[in-house]
Amino acid sequence: ETGVTQTPRHLVMGMTNKKSLKCEQHLGHNAMYWYKQSAKKPLELMFVYSLEERVENNSVPSRFSPECPNSSHLFLHLHTLQPEDSALYLCASSQDLPGGKEEKLFFGSGTQLSVL
Amino acid sequence: GDSVTQMEGPVTLSEEAFLTINCTYTATGYPSLFWYVQYPGEGLQLLLKATKADDKGSNKGFEATYRKETTSFHLEKGSVQVSDSAVYFCALGSNDYKLSFGAGTTVTVRA
Repeated sequence: ETGVTQTPRHLVMGMTNKKSLKCEQHLGHNAMYWYKQSAKKPLELMFVYSLEERVENNSVPSRFSPECPNSSHLFLHLHTLQPEDSALYLCASSQDLPGGKEEKLFFGSGTQLSVL
Repeated sequence: GDSVTQMEGPVTLSEEAFLTINCTYTATGYPSLFWYVQYPGEGLQLLLKATKADDKGSNKGFEATYRKETTSFHLEKGSVQVSDSAVYFCALGSNDYKLSFGAGTTVTVRA
């Protein structure tokens, strides 16, 4: 148990559906992240939040919309997705920024998303 | 930009075999280097790290040495177990908050 919980574990949706992914961290961390994991490709950083403010939007299409209502919760709202968006979506947190060079990242187990 | 390139898998080994997964990096400045591991059905976990040249990170029998002259951070374990079956990710941490991951190498250890 890493202290980062993601729901649902699996999600199947049509291209016209609207759904949301949820992430919750119980570690008292101040920074949270969304990553996309596709087969045989490097993990892609999508969004970074620090103290509930977005500090990074890595050229992600607008059909992905993040929300961070407080430092413990992070959402990824999905709308009008494409089949190529099918992937494992990972949430992570770290005590503070920077969450790379100095800070250890704690990951959730991910949501496996399939877009039909 | 900063990036890492790691050996493509999958890698299949017998128990007690020697494991090496190659990782090379491209970076400006002085990055930190990491290996993360992802066991089946789980998220990534930090396995080991090194923050400066010639540092050696080690954990659970795994080792990796930060080699600035060859821009490498190869992961090694002398005797693998079935429980080491996982996906291994090399990663680079830049001076900002970004952590750049490789594509992952799937390792399967047979009994």
